[in-house]
Amino acid sequence: AQSVAQPEDQVNVAEGNPLTVKCTYSVSGNPYLFWYVQYPNRGLQFLLKYITGDNLVKGSYGFEAEFNKSQTSFHLKKPSALVSDSALYFCAVRPISSGSARQLTFGSGTQLTVLP
Amino acid sequence: ETGVTQSPTHLIKTRGQQVTLRCSSQSGHNTVSWYQQALGQGPQFIFQYYREEENGRGNFPPRFSGLQFPNYSSELNVNALELDDSALYLCASSFHTNTGELFFGEGSRLTVL
Repeated sequence: AQSVAQPEDQVNVAEGNPLTVKCTYSVSGNPYLFWYVQYPNRGLQFLLKYITGDNLVKGSYGFEAEFNKSQTSFHLKKPSALVSDSALYFCAVRPISSGSARQLTFGSGTQLTVLP
Repeated sequence: ETGVTQSPTHLIKTRGQQVTLRCSSQSGHNTVSWYQQALGQGPQFIFQYYREEENGRGNFPPRFSGLQFPNYSSELNVNALELDDSALYLCASSFHTNTGELFFGEGSRLTVL
């Protein structure tokens, strides 16, 4: 069975500074990896995904993520944080071999707070 | 906005009752998944429907059931509600391709008293 770990419940960063939200995963075979963001009392919004190819994936709102197969990590990054980036971030994994099932396994989430 | 709509947005039930939650998928999407998000946790997969049939299920008991209709909209039914069923229930739609991301609705927040 697959799993996702987000080791930090809370990340605080000053506006304008770079941010990193960490994610490690465990899956049989090769993974599809995703990042989603959730604002208070809202559903999840897709940010970016890694399918194959270049290990650095660029997504919405200036976010990017780096896939590292040897470390089984998929950390979310942004060069310069904005106050409006403050939200709850979820990493998710799905094995490529899952066939027709679209089941995502999510981490427990990391609350990002960008301080003005 | 994703184009996935869910109803109702909030509801309160008592233990033992039954509830039906509804979801309209984004135009063109033919696959619907349901997730349960308890307070302070990540979403957990309940089940998925494609072509009106369940084709994937998470670790949820049979009292959680669903339907998908020919227009790809969907329902989640929960019987014999328990206090632990209190959560945000998220519907997600997608294309039936192997690499497609999920598009989530705003969710239905269920409180069981």
